[in-house]
Amino acid sequence: NAGVMQNPRHLVRRRGQEARLRCSPMKGHSHVYWYRQLPEEGLKFMVYLQKENIIDESGMPKERFSAEFPKEGPSILRIQQVVRGDSAAYFCASSPFGTFRAFFGQGTRLTVV
Amino acid sequence: DAKTTQPPSMDCAEGRAANLPCNHSTISGNEYVYWYRQIHSQGPQYIIHGLKNNETNEMASLIITEDRKSSTLILPHATLRDTAVYYCIVRVESNTGNQFYFGTGTSLTVIP
Repeated sequence: NAGVMQNPRHLVRRRGQEARLRCSPMKGHSHVYWYRQLPEEGLKFMVYLQKENIIDESGMPKERFSAEFPKEGPSILRIQQVVRGDSAAYFCASSPFGTFRAFFGQGTRLTVV
Repeated sequence: DAKTTQPPSMDCAEGRAANLPCNHSTISGNEYVYWYRQIHSQGPQYIIHGLKNNETNEMASLIITEDRKSSTLILPHATLRDTAVYYCIVRVESNTGNQFYFGTGTSLTVIP
């Protein structure tokens, strides 16, 4: 049973481009969480999704950021018109319905140049 | 809103027990205490969690005070590979799930 898979592991984008980060949860997991970690800081919650539903997006910036978790396929965190301040590590976690221990992926490190 | 307070850093000698404290004085009756750790910017790794009773697994022990306002994570025989940032988190359990709020954690350094 593979763990939570995130890709790409490293992503470089120029200012103004779009970044798409993918997260494949563990098999059987229907809950996905996205976190952002700026250099030398802790993890900040961004969004919590279940299949086809956004449950809590209170940590998402109001503009340029969006997330989805379709019925089929991975969860996608999309950042439009990236700026240098978006450079960070983005972590995804998943958990199964009815249990509460979350498993984290290895993260995607986004660098905006 | 992390709801927990941890010392920013600690050292521990290799082979000795590492005792990491956490204050959660505003914890509610239905909130669990979770511990995760993050080794060198990797993805956080689950360690242990509990509600009221002390818990033990292959990685660590969790001691929760009777009033539940604080807890201690114990790594019984620390190794160099235990050097990491340790996060104490309180979280409500529900069937719809709930996000984890991470604080700043404790940076544990295991010294040879």
